[in-house]
Amino acid sequence: QKEVEQDPGPLSVPEGAIVSLNCTYSNSAFQYFMWYRQYSRKGPELLMYTYSSGNKEDGRFTAQVDKSSKYISLFIRDSQPSDSATYLCAMRAFNKFYFGSGTKLNVKP
Amino acid sequence: NAGVTQTPKFQVLKTGQSMTLQCAQDMNHEYMSWYRQDPGMGLRLIHYSVGAGITDQGEVPNGYNVSRSTTEDFPLRLLSAAPSQTSVYFCASSGTSGYNEQFFGPGTRLTVL
Repeated sequence: QKEVEQDPGPLSVPEGAIVSLNCTYSNSAFQYFMWYRQYSRKGPELLMYTYSSGNKEDGRFTAQVDKSSKYISLFIRDSQPSDSATYLCAMRAFNKFYFGSGTKLNVKP
Repeated sequence: NAGVTQTPKFQVLKTGQSMTLQCAQDMNHEYMSWYRQDPGMGLRLIHYSVGAGITDQGEVPNGYNVSRSTTEDFPLRLLSAAPSQTSVYFCASSGTSGYNEQFFGPGTRLTVL
């Protein structure tokens, strides 16, 4: 079993839709929870991170962590065509990072 | 600041050849790491380093060597390339205290024939 499981998608939504991206994990040692965005043929870039259960908001993005269920989510409100990318969840335990397989999102104008 | 740089951008090797992928950062970061990204697999950690002279293995270290003689550079060596090593390779760096954002390089696309 992989340490981090991510819904593979792909997802295709109309502009303005609310998008929900999800990951589950099995390792209780994970301390930090991150979401990265990766455009085609580019390196990943950090969108959000959190280290506690609950919600963290940044503009149109909300990261949610439920440590008791070992479940994290990223919500995108009012999605835009520029949000079309692959989204990767990631988790850190000490000096090692573990990534989900990524969800490809396409937001149609 | 150039951030994290990687060379080359593209490389084609024949089975059995060796090569070194270069990675450099100018942010004085202690932590550096190498990942490979394959379709449907996400990013998998190959090797990482928490400072000059200190390296450790990640999830998929077989067939790869690393060393860290300076804070800035963290080269990845393929000893005897195999088709299974065809992938996109990313280098990343971050600080080590508390939470520190991990910055990624632009990647190296490697094909092994």
